[in-house]
Amino acid sequence: AQTVTQSQPEMSVQEAETVTLSCTYDTSESDYYLFWYKQPPSRQMILVIRQEAYKQQNATENRFSVNFQKAAKSFSLKISDSQLGDAAMYFCAYLLQGGSEKLVFGKGTKLTVNP
Amino acid sequence: NAGVTQTPKFQVLKTGQSMTLQCAQDMNHEYMSWYRQDPGMGLRLIHYSVGAGITDQGEVPNGYNVSRSTTEDFPLRLLSAAPSQTSVYFCASSPRGFRPRGQYFGAGTRLSVL
Repeated sequence: AQTVTQSQPEMSVQEAETVTLSCTYDTSESDYYLFWYKQPPSRQMILVIRQEAYKQQNATENRFSVNFQKAAKSFSLKISDSQLGDAAMYFCAYLLQGGSEKLVFGKGTKLTVNP
Repeated sequence: NAGVTQTPKFQVLKTGQSMTLQCAQDMNHEYMSWYRQDPGMGLRLIHYSVGAGITDQGEVPNGYNVSRSTTEDFPLRLLSAAPSQTSVYFCASSPRGFRPRGQYFGAGTRLSVL
């Protein structure tokens, strides 16, 4: 079974600085997808970024980028120019291609942004 | 744009009571799922559906039933609530596609079982 591990239960960053959240996963498959979701205090789950495993290029969405290391099974999220609104729980998730949209989530990292 | 709508937002039950959590989406998505979120556990899949009339179990299905009679609706039933079912429940949907784009989530239902 696939597993997703987020080793940092909590992280903090100063406003305007950069922070990296770690995620590792375990799978024997070669074609899959990885996601980062943000959950602010409102509880709403918001998709931040998506990576296709067959693509070597790291995904980027504005201030959010990933470092995808397929051989190492690592998928970290970098947030640049951190803003107060980035404070949230961040979840890493895995999805197997050709499956039934069964997301496997990590336990999350709580990010605090200090003014 | 309604997206994925969950009702109710909050619910308190007594042990042994039954209830149905409602989930509706207006995006014509084929896939729908129910997750529960517990402190320190992330989200875990309860049941999912790949289309009307088709459902299957996820990681933690015990104590929950689902059905999918229409594309739009995917209710989650608790037949006899237990304190262990105290959690936040999320419904999600996504379109069928060769390259998944990610799931859309509802706002969640916070359930307390006393």
